[in-house]
Order: sequence, then structure tokens, then C-alpha cells
Amino acid sequence: QKEVEQDPGPLSVPEGAIVSLNCTYSNSAFQYFMWYRQYSRKGPELLMYTYSSGNKEDGRFTAQVDKSSKYISLFIRDSQPSDSATYLCAMSDKNRDDKIIFGKGTRLHILP
Amino acid sequence: EPEVTQTPSHQVTQMGQEVILRCVPISNHLYFYWYRQILGQKVEFLVSFYNNEISEKSEIFDDQFSVERPDGSNFTLKIRSTKLEDSAMYFCASRGTIAGELFFGEGSRLTVL
Repeated sequence: QKEVEQDPGPLSVPEGAIVSLNCTYSNSAFQYFMWYRQYSRKGPELLMYTYSSGNKEDGRFTAQVDKSSKYISLFIRDSQPSDSATYLCAMSDKNRDDKIIFGKGTRLHILP
Repeated sequence: EPEVTQTPSHQVTQMGQEVILRCVPISNHLYFYWYRQILGQKVEFLVSFYNNEISEKSEIFDDQFSVERPDGSNFTLKIRSTKLEDSAMYFCASRGTIAGELFFGEGSRLTVL
């Protein structure tokens, strides 16, 4: 089983829709969970950061972590065409927090 | 806004040649990273560096790779004898005190012929 699994998409939704992105993972020691956004030919940009389980909200973005199911989600409300990008989940072990493992990324297209 | 800068943006080299990719991390950051992304594939961890030594490395980071912080501002990745499969985008990243809050550069595209 891969350490981090993420559906590569592409995922196409109309402007204004709620987008749901998710990842599953196998390593129960993961404690730090991140979502990065990557535009074409650019470096990843941190969107959300959570530690352990729970929810975190920042503007139109909400991150959820369910450690019991080894499942994390990112919700985007009122999606905009500028949200079109690849979204990468990332995570690390509390005891090896310098080794951050990325999912393959989900390509998202917001249709005007 | 402070940013991570990388040079060169694109380098073409012959197989077997040595390549050095350079990075200037954000000035008050103490943790430094190299990742690579082969076209169409995931961002892969190579190495992390803290306090002038490697803190973590992946199985990809074998003896042909090395990292160095030659002065107070630069962080370099050296590939001693490049192979065709080293062709990828190489990203440098740095962070402050928050684990996971990485700031990435724009990347250096390496093409090995």
C-alpha cells in the first residue's frame, strides 16, 4: 500500500461549487497534515496546515483530518476559476517531521 | 514578501556531467530541503538539512547526490554524474519553526541528454 494516496483527477466543477479533495494514508504515525497548491510549472504553495485530528478553516478553505480513518480532506467553498491548479496533500511523522511526504496531487479545473 | 530563489531556472547537461543547483532560502529560516518532481509525477522528498548536516534523506538520495551550505545564504544540491532519469524539476524549500510550513522556490528544471 502506498504511503499517501490521492486521486489524480482531473476534477472539473462549475464556478461557485463546493470542491472536496481528499487523501488517504497508511502510516498511523503521521501527525502533521498539509495542503499545498501548485500552479503549472511553479513550486508548491502552502494553503493549510493542521496538527493531528480536527478541522481548520481559513477563508474559503477548510481542512479536515480523521486520524481514525487515516483520511484527510480539503474543502473549497465558492470555487473560483483562479482556484484551478493541482492540490497536493502532504504529511509527516511527528518524530521525523523533516521528511514530508506528498501525495501525487489532484488536478482541479473550475469552469467559468 | 520573502521568497526562496533558485538558479538556474533551466539547465541542460550531458549524461555523466556534474550539475550544481543553487538555492537562496528565506533569510531567517534554519531548515532546508530539496525535492524533485519528474514530469507528470509526484513531488518526491530528497533530503532535509538542519544545523549544517543532513537530518533526513530518502532512498533516492544516493551517493551521487550531495548538499552543502557553503556560506550563510546559499544551499546547493550537487549531482556528481547525471543520468537520464535525473531529468526533473528540482525544488528547494525552507522553513522556520513550524514543521510542515515549507516555502518552495520556483524550481530548477534539469534536462539530461
